[in-house]
Amino acid sequence: EDQVTQSPEALRLQEGESSSLNCSYTVSGLRGLFWYRQDPGKGPEFLFTLYSAGEEKEKERLKATLTKKESFLHITAPKPEDSATYLCAVQVGSGNTGKLIFGQGTTLQVKP
Amino acid sequence: NAGVTQTPKFQVLKTGQSMTLQCAQDMNHNSMYWYRQDPGMGLRLIYYSASEGTTDKGEVPNGYNVSRLNKREFSLRLESAAPSQTSVYFCASSELGIYGYTFGSGTRLTVV
Repeated sequence: EDQVTQSPEALRLQEGESSSLNCSYTVSGLRGLFWYRQDPGKGPEFLFTLYSAGEEKEKERLKATLTKKESFLHITAPKPEDSATYLCAVQVGSGNTGKLIFGQGTTLQVKP
Repeated sequence: NAGVTQTPKFQVLKTGQSMTLQCAQDMNHNSMYWYRQDPGMGLRLIYYSASEGTTDKGEVPNGYNVSRLNKREFSLRLESAAPSQTSVYFCASSELGIYGYTFGSGTRLTVV
């Protein structure tokens, strides 16, 4: 069964304190791994797509990496505005169905 | 640039009532999706439409029906609402399923 697990469920950081979020997956035929940010009361917002082991993507203070079994979202010197829930999802299936299976998310709180 | 628009934003139903959640996208995407988000459960796929004229079941389709009215619009219908369908519903679209989804802002549904 395809499965995505994120850890930790919640993370509290002081402003400037770097850390990493984990996303481990068990799927047959990974087509892509996605990271999203979700603010309270809003829909998820696309951050990154990773397609193969060893690939890395960066955006401001965020850096996503991918191995054959997991992905990390590294947050460098976070600011309070980085507080949100971060969702990981994997794309499975053939053709162009594009179905995503989501993890439960990591809620990040950055205190000033 | 509206992206994905969902209506209504909030709704309270009595058990047994029916309603249709509307979703429209203006990005000319081929694929559209309906997810529900519950605390501790993450985002779960209800139904999806890979292209205009096709629909398929996702992980949790029971109690729901969908209609892909045209390339822009994808509606979700609850024929006889149950308290277990209390959730936040998100519509999303993507181009051929290979790029990041664009999500709507969600419909918060309470069934009493």
